[in-house]
Amino acid sequence: NAGVTQTPKFQVLKTGQSMTLQCAQDMNHNSMYWYRQDPGMGLRLIYYSASEGTTDKGEVPNGYNVSRLNKREFSLRLESAAPSQTSVYFCASRVDRVGLQPQHFGDGTRLSIL
Amino acid sequence: SQKIEQNSEALNIQEGKTATLTCNYTNYSPAYLQWYRQDPGRGPVFLLLIRENEKEKRKERLKVTFDTTLKQSLFHITASQPADSATYLCAPLNRDDKIIFGKGTRLHILP
Repeated sequence: NAGVTQTPKFQVLKTGQSMTLQCAQDMNHNSMYWYRQDPGMGLRLIYYSASEGTTDKGEVPNGYNVSRLNKREFSLRLESAAPSQTSVYFCASRVDRVGLQPQHFGDGTRLSIL
Repeated sequence: SQKIEQNSEALNIQEGKTATLTCNYTNYSPAYLQWYRQDPGRGPVFLLLIRENEKEKRKERLKVTFDTTLKQSLFHITASQPADSATYLCAPLNRDDKIIFGKGTRLHILP
């Protein structure tokens, strides 16, 4: 079982470059999430998609855009990368937005902005 | 604002002993609380969920308590092993599905 797959695993960008982080899940989950994890800050929600066709802002959405391409795929785009966006990005999925089911996480994309 | 506090310092426990991790929350009343494990270079993995009306939940060597009066959850690993070394995250969950993750506690089990 693949679960949640994120690509790429590592990326280095220059300030001002753009990039799309890809996420796909094979568990038929309705809800998908993007987090960033920084030392001393914990996981912070960037955007989420409660179901196919909907997206909503999380705690730290500035500088990012998302696309829920279909039920399986949820991408995160940095239009003009800034050094403050250096982080580890995690995608997660969940059966539904509400309920007791846990989130399933990918193994992250490590992004450095120079 | 809603706040979650976990032991900020790493916790060193001798193999075979019980490790106890603390999660305190303020300014909200979660209906459920989840605990996740995160290994270096990996995403968090779900371990246990406890409801507000449950005092205690067990799974193999893991035990979680949830005290809504103290606004605290304790996570215990009994008969700890070096393989239990990881970062553990607590994640209180509201009925509206808002999940906030704690910063996590790094646990080292010393052989």
